[in-house]
Amino acid sequence: EVKLVESGGGLVLPGASLKLSCIVSGFTFSDYWMRWVRQAPGKGLEFIGEIKPDGSKTNYAPSMKGRFTISRDNAKNTLYLQMSSVRSEDTATYYCAKEWAYWGQGTLVTVSS
Amino acid sequence: DIQMTQSPSSLPASLGDRVTITCRASQDIGNYLRWFQQKPGKSPRLMIYGATNLAAGVPSRFSGSRSGSDYSLTISSLESEDMADYYCLQSKESPYTFGAGTKLELK
Repeated sequence: EVKLVESGGGLVLPGASLKLSCIVSGFTFSDYWMRWVRQAPGKGLEFIGEIKPDGSKTNYAPSMKGRFTISRDNAKNTLYLQMSSVRSEDTATYYCAKEWAYWGQGTLVTVSS
Repeated sequence: DIQMTQSPSSLPASLGDRVTITCRASQDIGNYLRWFQQKPGKSPRLMIYGATNLAAGVPSRFSGSRSGSDYSLTISSLESEDMADYYCLQSKESPYTFGAGTKLELK
């Protein structure tokens, strides 16, 4: 059974950094592109970025470039999203996804002082 | 970047109705179009891929179609469990882009 479990969300201060994790199981993690998507409260889905199976290439939505960094550890079956200089507009539920067919349950990040 | 214009934003409908949601792509995306259903507090669920292919476990009352740069999701006979938000996604090229969403609700 394919499973994706995000963690690392919570309440963070504006300007802080935060690293989200997505631990996967049920498939060969190192064979797949992986993606991050977010959803602000009451809003639509927004693509953040993706990472190649071997971690050698990443693509980001233009609005995410520079502050967000996606990485992975194939030995640990874990995908990461490093967020820096967070703003109130980054308040959202963050999802990891495999091939668009499998999604985690999401982790909520709230940016507030 | 490719823009996806989704309509309507809200769709009041009655049980048993046939409903259609549409997305228009700003550039050619071929059949790289997916549809998702999302219920409150839940993760998105893939419903349609390749513009017309039903994802595993999706009821046959759902269907996808394409006419040029217009893509549609149709529910042939609405059931109560179909009340949800629906999003299209172009997966032709990164950055991938979602439509703004359609809220399907009971009239």
